[in-house]
Amino acid sequence: GENVEQHPSTLSVQEGDSAVIKCTYSDSASNYFPWYKQELGKGPQLIIDIRSNVGEKKDQRIAVTLNKTAKHFSLHITETQPEDSAVYFCAASIDNNDMRFGAGTRLTVKP
Amino acid sequence: GAVVSQHPSWVICKSGTSVKIECRSLDFQATTMFWYRQFPKQSLMLMATSNEGSKATYEQGVEKDKFLINHASLTLSTLTVTSAHPEDSSFYICSATTGQGRYNEQFFGPGTRLTVL
Repeated sequence: GENVEQHPSTLSVQEGDSAVIKCTYSDSASNYFPWYKQELGKGPQLIIDIRSNVGEKKDQRIAVTLNKTAKHFSLHITETQPEDSAVYFCAASIDNNDMRFGAGTRLTVKP
Repeated sequence: GAVVSQHPSWVICKSGTSVKIECRSLDFQATTMFWYRQFPKQSLMLMATSNEGSKATYEQGVEKDKFLINHASLTLSTLTVTSAHPEDSSFYICSATTGQGRYNEQFFGPGTRLTVL
């Protein structure tokens, strides 16, 4: 089955700096890669996703890149703000079924 | 749109009792619902996949007789933790999809924190 690894487990940046979180996956059949933001005591919220037919996608300060050959994808947050502080999860799935999550990255943005 | 609710948001129960958690899609019909468990500072682990009107598919290692899932309608799925024990204490999260399109998004509920004393 699919195995998703995520790094780093914790990340601390200064407000305004960029943050990068990386994930690798094992199943070459995976074709859908969402990223979720989870605040304390709440369910995950989708922030951006990418499909296997695209190499990069951007939405304002958030971007995701996908390298299918290497089987890794990354989340980039620019101009970080304190409200970006949360736990971020990457995930991989085939057609959004049987979704497997990474272990999570706790991002802290220091004012 | 695409809101998923869970009830209750938290529950404390005594060991040996059963607890039912509801997951509702408020403004769409969910052909498929998923149940996840999340231990503190850990990732989400898929427990089971539930399709309306059929039996749930459980992940390896998840006891189907302990975690009873019912998906009787297109807007409601329930998870019942039977004879709960302290090790069942966790954050339970459901998600729902519309089943429309190939990459139909999973919409997550806010989660239910279960504490078994």
